[in-house]
Amino acid sequence: GQQVMQIPQYQHVQEGEDFTTYCNSSTTLSNIQWYKQRPGGHPVFLIQLVKSGEVKKQKRLTFQFGEAKKNSSLHITATQTTDVGTYFCAGSNFGNEKLTFGTGTRLTIIP
Amino acid sequence: GAVVSQHPSWVICKSGTSVKIECRSLDFQATTMFWYRQFPKQSLMLMATSNEGSKATYEQGVEKDKFLINHASLTLSTLTVTSAHPEDSSFYICSVGVLAKNIQYFGAGTRLSVL
Repeated sequence: GQQVMQIPQYQHVQEGEDFTTYCNSSTTLSNIQWYKQRPGGHPVFLIQLVKSGEVKKQKRLTFQFGEAKKNSSLHITATQTTDVGTYFCAGSNFGNEKLTFGTGTRLTIIP
Repeated sequence: GAVVSQHPSWVICKSGTSVKIECRSLDFQATTMFWYRQFPKQSLMLMATSNEGSKATYEQGVEKDKFLINHASLTLSTLTVTSAHPEDSSFYICSVGVLAKNIQYFGAGTRLSVL
């Protein structure tokens, strides 16, 4: 079945440093989504990427979808303590509502 | 996005009892809802897709008789963990699928602890 892996599994950064998490799917995706889950909380939708090579920005967050639509990345510039949490990518295939969640990257910030 | 209410937020029960978790779509008619399970420090694993007015579709390895899903209306899906055991202790999360956007909105989750 489809597998979605993320690296790194954990990332500890000093406040103000940048952070990147990478997402790789074993199959081509119709779209990829990113979610953030705060400690003790539930996943919150951040963004959806649909087009090959698409890049979207949300303030300090930059999301990219690979040309082959099998990988994606999330980059946070100048991290803040509010960025703490686990970031999940989630992919779906054409004609299928089901999401396959990535393994997640847990981000902790050192003040 | 869709507003999803999940109840209860946490429950502690004795081994052998059954627990019902409700997932409500407050502002969106949801023909499809999803049920996930998440163990500590792990990713979300899809358990089943709940379809309004029909039987749920379970993922491989998920016991249908163990995790009963009912989706009787466009705003409510329920997950019943039957004869719960300690290994069923987990974080259960529902989501509403917005088909047109292929986006899911999640409930706050239910933490189940089985003693």
